[in-house]
Amino acid sequence: RKEVEQDPGPFNVPEGATVAFNCTYSNSASQSFFWYRQDCRKEPKLLMSVYSSGNEDGRFTAQLNRASQYISLLIRDSKLSDSATYLCVVSGTGRRALTFGSGTRLQVQP
Amino acid sequence: NAGVTQTPKFQVLKTGQSMTLQCAQDMNHEYMSWYRQDPGMGLRLIHYSVGAGITDQGEVPNGYNVSRSTTEDFPLRLLSAAPSQTSVYFCASSAGGGAYEQYFGPGTRLTVT
Repeated sequence: RKEVEQDPGPFNVPEGATVAFNCTYSNSASQSFFWYRQDCRKEPKLLMSVYSSGNEDGRFTAQLNRASQYISLLIRDSKLSDSATYLCVVSGTGRRALTFGSGTRLQVQP
Repeated sequence: NAGVTQTPKFQVLKTGQSMTLQCAQDMNHEYMSWYRQDPGMGLRLIHYSVGAGITDQGEVPNGYNVSRSTTEDFPLRLLSAAPSQTSVYFCASSAGGGAYEQYFGPGTRLTVT
């Protein structure tokens, strides 16, 4: 079983739609959680950290469920510029590194 | 402030050749790491360093060496390139350590024939 699992997609949604991604992780000792965004042929960039109480940044909302070991990302009012791959990331064993999911691809269509 | 830089951007090697991928950061971050990204597999940790003179293995270290003589630089050496090492390589750095936000370089696309 992969340490971090994501639905690879692609998710094809029209502009203005709301879309949600889920991610599950296997390491119950993980303490840090993030969503990164990666554009085609570019490096990953931090989208937002995920906190236990849930957090929001504009159109983006992240939730963490430690009991069920899953993380979610909700994007409201999708824009064409949101088209990218979204990587679910958790801290790994011994907090020495981050463990990345394979990513979920989002394509927002006009 | 350039952040994390990597050279070269692209490289083609023949099987058996060796080379060094360069990585430098100007943010005075103690933690640096190397990942490789292959289709469908996400980023996998190769080696990491928590400070000058200290390195350790990640998930997929075989065939790669690293050293950290300065805070700024963290080169990755391929000892004898194999086709299985064809991948995109990303270097990253972090102010807070391995479990915190990491900043990535633009990547090196390596093809081994």
